Amino acid sequence: AQSVSQHNHHVILSEAASLELGCNYSYGGTVNLFWYVQYPGQHLQLLLKYFSGDPLVKGIKGFEAEFIKSKFSFNLRKPSVQWSDTAEYFCAVNGGSNYKLTFGKGTLLTVNP
Amino acid sequence: NAGVTQTPKFQVLKTGQSMTLQCAQDMNHEYMSWYRQDPGMGLRLIHYSVGAGITDQGEVPNGYNVSRSTTEDFPLRLLSAAPSQTSVYFCASSSSGGTRPEKLFFGSGTQLSVL
Repeated sequence: AQSVSQHNHHVILSEAASLELGCNYSYGGTVNLFWYVQYPGQHLQLLLKYFSGDPLVKGIKGFEAEFIKSKFSFNLRKPSVQWSDTAEYFCAVNGGSNYKLTFGKGTLLTVNP
Repeated sequence: NAGVTQTPKFQVLKTGQSMTLQCAQDMNHEYMSWYRQDPGMGLRLIHYSVGAGITDQGEVPNGYNVSRSTTEDFPLRLLSAAPSQTSVYFCASSSSGGTRPEKLFFGSGTQLSVL
């Protein structure tokens, strides 16, 4: 079975600080990886995704993530956060040929102005 | 373009009651799914469907039924509500490319309380 582990439950940063949110997955084969974001009062939306190719993927709003196969990791990064990045971030994995998308427990990011 | 529409937005049930959460999408997506979101638990997959007439179980299917008679609609039925089913429920759809849900579009959620 596939699973996702997000290391941080709540991260608090000041504006302009750099961000890295950890995500590790468990699955024995090819995976597709995602980061979703839920801004306060808004729908969950896709931030970025990795299917194959370049392991460094760029998403919306200046976010990027790096797939490191040997570490089963897909960490999310942003060089300089803004107050508007305050949200809950979810890592998700879809393994091989199955149709299930499994989410992690989420990381709440609070950015102080 | 409405996207994914869920109704109702809020619902209070008594233990043992049954109800149906409605979900409709107007994007002609093949893939639809139901998740529940609980504090500290993230989103957990209840059921999913890859097309009309095809459904399968997710991680937490007990106590829930689904059917998919049309591409547009994917209702979730609670057979006999229990307090443990108090949660926020999200419906999501995706234009699955081959064998995977590529990009999920989420509804606004249904907040359900079971007393």
